[in-house]
Amino acid sequence: DTGVSQNPRHKITKRGQNVTFRCDPISEHNRLYWYRQTLGQGPEFLTYFQNEAQLEKSRLLSDRFSAERPKGSFSTLEIQRTEQGDSAMYLCASSPSGLAGWGAETQYFGPGTRLLVL
Amino acid sequence: RKEVEQDPGPFNVPEGATVAFNCTYSNSASQSFFWYRQDCRKEPKLLMSVYSSGNEDGRFTAQLNRASQYISLLIRDSKLSDSATYLCVVKRSGTYKYIFGTGTRLKVLA
Repeated sequence: DTGVSQNPRHKITKRGQNVTFRCDPISEHNRLYWYRQTLGQGPEFLTYFQNEAQLEKSRLLSDRFSAERPKGSFSTLEIQRTEQGDSAMYLCASSPSGLAGWGAETQYFGPGTRLLVL
Repeated sequence: RKEVEQDPGPFNVPEGATVAFNCTYSNSASQSFFWYRQDCRKEPKLLMSVYSSGNEDGRFTAQLNRASQYISLLIRDSKLSDSATYLCVVKRSGTYKYIFGTGTRLKVLA
């Protein structure tokens, strides 16, 4: 399967613990996005990477959230001191760039990591 | 007011019906527009981009009205397999941020 992969698929943690999620984008996609989705809502933008550079970050993202993409390939999203309000599906998406037209902006989503904070 | 607004539905329609969804956006600097489809407990997948002149892909037609700041999706001859949530997505110029609507749920009934 050459799609976007995310690990783990499910995570249950206790309030106050730190969690880390991993995203492996489609090979050669240099754009990578993280989103959060709660029940009944659309995905909410968290952050964007172009290669290893984090070029945009949502103001909604508190200091407890950090994301990295050290070599411009896979990315990690860490949540420190988790709170019950962090319970959500965390989605990663990738897209190619450098292409003409609309193709550059199609986002391919991974299956997500479902986080439950008790 | 949310930047992208959709009627959450659900829209319950019989097989073969034609159904239309609208989505309004508030920021006139919005540049790119898309419809994504999301099946229950699955990830979103691109259904179609929305071009200024409108575009069609089989049974699906998308329209953009910049003056009134809305986009629409028309589904003709609905199939049971069209049952899903349809997400309206908008991107402003000068930003990498994509704004998703809450989605409109469609249920096509046999």
